[in-house]
Amino acid sequence: RKEVEQDPGPFNVPEGATVAFNCTYSNSASQSFFWYRQDCRKEPKLLMSVYSSGNEDGRFTAQLNRASQYISLLIRDSKLSDSATYLCVVTSFYNQGGKLIFGQGTELSVKP
Amino acid sequence: DVKVTQSSRYLVKRTGEKVFLECVQDMDHENMFWYRQDPGLGLRLIYFSYDVKMKEKGDIPEGYSVSREKKERFSLILESASTNQTSMYLCASSLWGGAFFGQGTRLTVV
Repeated sequence: RKEVEQDPGPFNVPEGATVAFNCTYSNSASQSFFWYRQDCRKEPKLLMSVYSSGNEDGRFTAQLNRASQYISLLIRDSKLSDSATYLCVVTSFYNQGGKLIFGQGTELSVKP
Repeated sequence: DVKVTQSSRYLVKRTGEKVFLECVQDMDHENMFWYRQDPGLGLRLIYFSYDVKMKEKGDIPEGYSVSREKKERFSLILESASTNQTSMYLCASSLWGGAFFGQGTRLTVV
């Protein structure tokens, strides 16, 4: 079983739609959680951190459920520019360092 | 502004060559990582380092080694390049939060 698993994609949605991605992780000792965005042929970029209390940044809302070991990302009012691959990331602290484990990513395509 | 710089964007090497990929960060981060990214396989961790001269194997360390002599620099070494090491290589650094990535090196081994 992979340490971090994401919804299979691609997700094809019209502009203005609400779309949700889920991600599950297997290591209950994981401590930090993030969503990244990766555009085609570019490096991943940090989108937002994820907290148990949930956090919101404009049209984006991230949530962590430690009991069920999953994190989610909700995008409201999708824009064409939201088209990208979304990666969930879990940090497991190993010795004195943090080991970042990436999910495989979910591709989002927003159509006019 | 945060900066992680990889020495090359594109690299073509011959089978059997020793290949060095360099990564430098200017954020005084403790942790640095090397990943490779292949279609359908996502980002896979090769090695990471949490301090100078410290290194830990990731999920796919075979055929690779690393060096961290200075805090800001983390090098990935392909001891004897093979065609199955053709890939996009991404370096990242982090403190305790999210990581910042370099622009990637697309390596082709012929």
